[in-house]
Amino acid sequence: DARVTQTPRHKVTEMGQEVTMRCQPILGHNTVFWYRQTMMQGLELLAYFRNRAPLDDSGMPKDRFSAEMPDATLATLKIQPSEPRDSAVYFCASGFLGGRVLGNQPQHFGDGTRLSIL
Amino acid sequence: DQQVKQNSPSLSVQEGRISILNCDYTNSMFDYFLWYKKYPAEGPTFLISISSIKDKNEDGRFTVFLNKSAKHLSLHIVPSQPGDSAVYFCAASAPSNFGNEKLTFGTGTRLTIIP
Repeated sequence: DARVTQTPRHKVTEMGQEVTMRCQPILGHNTVFWYRQTMMQGLELLAYFRNRAPLDDSGMPKDRFSAEMPDATLATLKIQPSEPRDSAVYFCASGFLGGRVLGNQPQHFGDGTRLSIL
Repeated sequence: DQQVKQNSPSLSVQEGRISILNCDYTNSMFDYFLWYKKYPAEGPTFLISISSIKDKNEDGRFTVFLNKSAKHLSLHIVPSQPGDSAVYFCAASAPSNFGNEKLTFGTGTRLTIIP
């Protein structure tokens, strides 16, 4: 079974440090999403890319968060500097979005990166 | 504001009985709805979806019902099995240039099946 792979699975670091989370989407998927799960807000969409181009990052705090897709097999989410309120589980998901002609497939999620900022 | 609401944080159901999970939404532009299931330390996995042109979609033990006038959907699991114990997320999306790619999730309902 093809899977979305996220690394690291767990990250503990001190506030002020840079954090980089990585995601390998499923081969053939053209869209990559970053979500954050917190107890209070549930799953929030941070940003997403289609064919490696950023489409929407309105859910992401712009001053400290950045998302990139350097190639089709790697998406990154960086936090610099990190703060305790960034502690959450971050999920990457990928899917094939063909639009109204080809149709869309449900998003497949990775197992997440559990981030703790001390 | 929460556009997708799952008002029951938890639900316990006897094995073999029906589990009914509920979800309400406020955005009238939503026209595609999904349910995801999540086990601890894993990512959500897609379960079933429904388009607003239908009011029911069935897949094995899982059925999703959509009531557009009430802006309400529900997931029925019959019969409930111990492996169904998980957190269930409702998600909704509105049409956009590329289709329904942007999902808005509820906060989840933890379902526990009692043997």
